[in-house]
Amino acid sequence: GQQLNQSPQSMFIQEGEDVSMNCTSSSIFNTWLWYKQDPGEGPVLLIALYKAGELTSNGRLTAQFGITRKDSFLNISASIPSDVGIYFCAGQTQGGSEKLVFGKGTKLTVNP
Amino acid sequence: DSGVTQTPKHLITATGQRVTLRCSPRSGDLSVYWYQQSLDQGLQFLIQYYNGEERAKGNILERFSAQQFPDLHSELNLSSLELGDSALYFCASSAKRSSYNEQFFGPGTRLTVL
Repeated sequence: GQQLNQSPQSMFIQEGEDVSMNCTSSSIFNTWLWYKQDPGEGPVLLIALYKAGELTSNGRLTAQFGITRKDSFLNISASIPSDVGIYFCAGQTQGGSEKLVFGKGTKLTVNP
Repeated sequence: DSGVTQTPKHLITATGQRVTLRCSPRSGDLSVYWYQQSLDQGLQFLIQYYNGEERAKGNILERFSAQQFPDLHSELNLSSLELGDSALYFCASSAKRSSYNEQFFGPGTRLTVL
């Protein structure tokens, strides 16, 4: 089945540092979504991308939809302790179901 | 708060039993999706309903079934439960406007099968 390769698997950073994570796929997606999940909670939508090459920001978060439609990245600038959590990328393919295919997640730890 | 509600929050049951998980989508959303999250498999799509009709199936076991009612709430039924069914089960909803598919997730139901 379809798979998203998300990296890195985990990151340990100092407060104030910038963070970058990405997802790649062998399949083309027409929508990329980035979610954050806190322990015991549901994923929360951070950014949605709908066009190849699109660059979208949400506060300190910036995400891009790769020009090939097979990748996306998420950047977090000036990290703060509340950025701790697991970040997931998700893609939706063209046609058919609107189901999301998820990456395995990037676990972010921010040291104050 | 995403606007998607799920009950119960936690469920503990025994092998062989049957349980029902409930989801109410955001107001106005016609699509409901069910996902299973386990440590080894991550977030996996199970099934989608759109306005009461099944629209897509993912890796859903035959022991599992779902339905969406006229008021658009959905239930996921899990039967003949096995230890391996222990996981977080999430419901998500979306409005499906043109090609946009922003799915908003509920808080989940944590199922523990003993």
